[in-house]
Amino acid sequence: QQPVQSPQAVILREGEDAVINCSSSKALYSVHWYRQKHGEAPVFLMILLKGGEQKGHEKISASFNEKKQQSSLYLTASQLSYSGTYFCGTENSDYGQNFVFGPGTRLSVLP
Amino acid sequence: EAEVAQSPRYKITEKSQAVAFWCDPISGHATLYWYRQILGQGPELLVQFQDESVVDDSQLPKDRFSAERLKGVDSTLKIQPAELGDSAMYLCASSLPAGGAYEQYFGPGTRLTVT
Repeated sequence: QQPVQSPQAVILREGEDAVINCSSSKALYSVHWYRQKHGEAPVFLMILLKGGEQKGHEKISASFNEKKQQSSLYLTASQLSYSGTYFCGTENSDYGQNFVFGPGTRLSVLP
Repeated sequence: EAEVAQSPRYKITEKSQAVAFWCDPISGHATLYWYRQILGQGPELLVQFQDESVVDDSQLPKDRFSAERLKGVDSTLKIQPAELGDSAMYLCASSLPAGGAYEQYFGPGTRLTVT
């Protein structure tokens, strides 16, 4: 079942902060976050695993509330390069199946 | 830096014709995914391979779509016959073993237009 993302879109000025939320109706094993710029493929940002382990490649933070089946992505001091569509993807088991992307949150950072 | 390769990058075909897409994952990646992405929506998983075996094809329209990864390396996704509603971006991704702990690396995609 597809996770729900909020907000659908957000517009920021450079330097402002943003929070993007992802929630599921099923128990989650992992939550992935990706960013996709217009006309390009999605690029990995972060994985959060059940039990609290967190992996990421960029200076972007995230949280994972297992009880609420929710994850939030925190973008602080946004830069123009942060513009794009952010997708969360969820897995409900550690078998690596049933991976589902959310509908996306469009982020626009203005100068 | 290793990348996922896809071809062709763009394909225009008439409805009822057959079309095929090719994907070469990053060397050593056991898991390969095919996604369909309609403009403005999130990628939709069509099929997932672990080596040469299909582990998830629950969303694959099997009456017209087929996918194979015969030697557990590169993969082909075929549509026959194509329909107008198949116009979309088809993305291939690969990762080390599946299981939630590994990121997916995406190829540049194939933009399909069905006329």
